[in-house]
Amino acid sequence: GDSVTQMEGPVTLSEEAFLTINCTYTATGYPSLFWYVQYPGEGLQLLLKATKADDKGSNKGFEATYRKETTSFHLEKGSVQVSDSAVYFCARTPGYNTDKLIFGTGTRLQVFP
Amino acid sequence: DAEITQSPRHKITETGRQVTLACHQTWNHNNMFWYRQDLGHGLRLIHYSYGVQDTNKGEVSDGYSVSRSNTEDLPLTLESAASSQTSVYFCASSRGDEAFFGQGTRLTVV
Repeated sequence: GDSVTQMEGPVTLSEEAFLTINCTYTATGYPSLFWYVQYPGEGLQLLLKATKADDKGSNKGFEATYRKETTSFHLEKGSVQVSDSAVYFCARTPGYNTDKLIFGTGTRLQVFP
Repeated sequence: DAEITQSPRHKITETGRQVTLACHQTWNHNNMFWYRQDLGHGLRLIHYSYGVQDTNKGEVSDGYSVSRSNTEDLPLTLESAASSQTSVYFCASSRGDEAFFGQGTRLTVV
């Protein structure tokens, strides 16, 4: 069925390090792909999205490219900040253009000065 | 500004009691969702609605119900609370493919 798999955390980095959080999805239908971020004590916020193959979503220095050939949507940032410490969720819609979201288990990022 | 609010933010209840969590959005979105968040599981969909009088079961709907009598509200009811329902609950609304989340309700069943 439709699912999303994320790398387990926590990911611990020093400030200004390069970040990659891996996300893969099952190749069913034509999903849209998302990254959501959850800061401590808050709900989820949309970080970026991509709706079709080869699209690149970007926001706040974060990027992810929709790779159909590898069924991946890895999140990257060139230089993380302490304020990026949060839990990051990869998500997809089911195969055929519906509004439900299917989430991965989340990856906690901790950035130290 | 439009928003989505959940209440209460924290609740402790006893096993067997009926509990209702409120969700109210002012975006006039047709789509509303309830998720629960548990360590190791991410967010799992409980129930969702695509409009007034429409409700649908998600992947973990057992023991929960919802009703949609107007566009703004989707209350979530735990019919008889169980310890396995201790969790953080998130409500969301959407139009199109972007969802907006409330701040969550932390429910503890003792």
